[in-house]
Amino acid sequence: DTGVSQDPRHKITKRGQNVTFRCDPISEHNRLYWYRQTLGQGPEFLTYFQNEAQLEKSRLLSDRFSAERPKGSFSTLEIQRTEQGDSAMYLCASSAIGTLTLFFGEGSRLTVL
Amino acid sequence: AQSVTQLDSQVPVFEEAPVELRCNYSSSVSVYLFWYVQYPNQGLQLLLKYLSGSTLVESINGFEAEFNKSQTSFHLRKPSVHISDTAEYFCAVLNEKLTFGTGTRLTIIP
Repeated sequence: DTGVSQDPRHKITKRGQNVTFRCDPISEHNRLYWYRQTLGQGPEFLTYFQNEAQLEKSRLLSDRFSAERPKGSFSTLEIQRTEQGDSAMYLCASSAIGTLTLFFGEGSRLTVL
Repeated sequence: AQSVTQLDSQVPVFEEAPVELRCNYSSSVSVYLFWYVQYPNQGLQLLLKYLSGSTLVESINGFEAEFNKSQTSFHLRKPSVHISDTAEYFCAVLNEKLTFGTGTRLTIIP
């Protein structure tokens, strides 16, 4: 399967713990996006990369959130000192420059107890 | 700034009946519009998109959407729905990033 892959699919953690999600985009896709989706809402943009450069960050991305794409391939999204409000589905998507179409992974569901 | 409004959060429809899911957008730049579908316990899948050219675009499973610039709309339609169309449908507008609406849950009544 050559789609967008996310790991883990589910994560349950206690408040205050750190969590990290990984996203492997479609091979050769230059752009990689992170979104967050809560129940009953549409996906909300968090940040995106073009190759290894982080080009935009949403105001939703507090200081506890950090995303990296060190070699321009896979990306990680880390949440430090998790809060119950961080509980959501974290979606990753990728696209090739100029194609204007994002392909999404199945998401990583975070539950903070 | 860009935004998407999906006024209907839930739409129940009888099987084999027609359906229209409404989407209105605002964008200050060129408009690229998308419909994504999310089946239960699955990720977002692209249903159809408008980038340029013909204002009527179609998907492989019978959905169509029409870009209407004067009404700033991109409504999704299907003439006859099936049980398998049960899903959440998201309209989105693209500039540098996709901005989604809040989604419409389509429920098919047997």
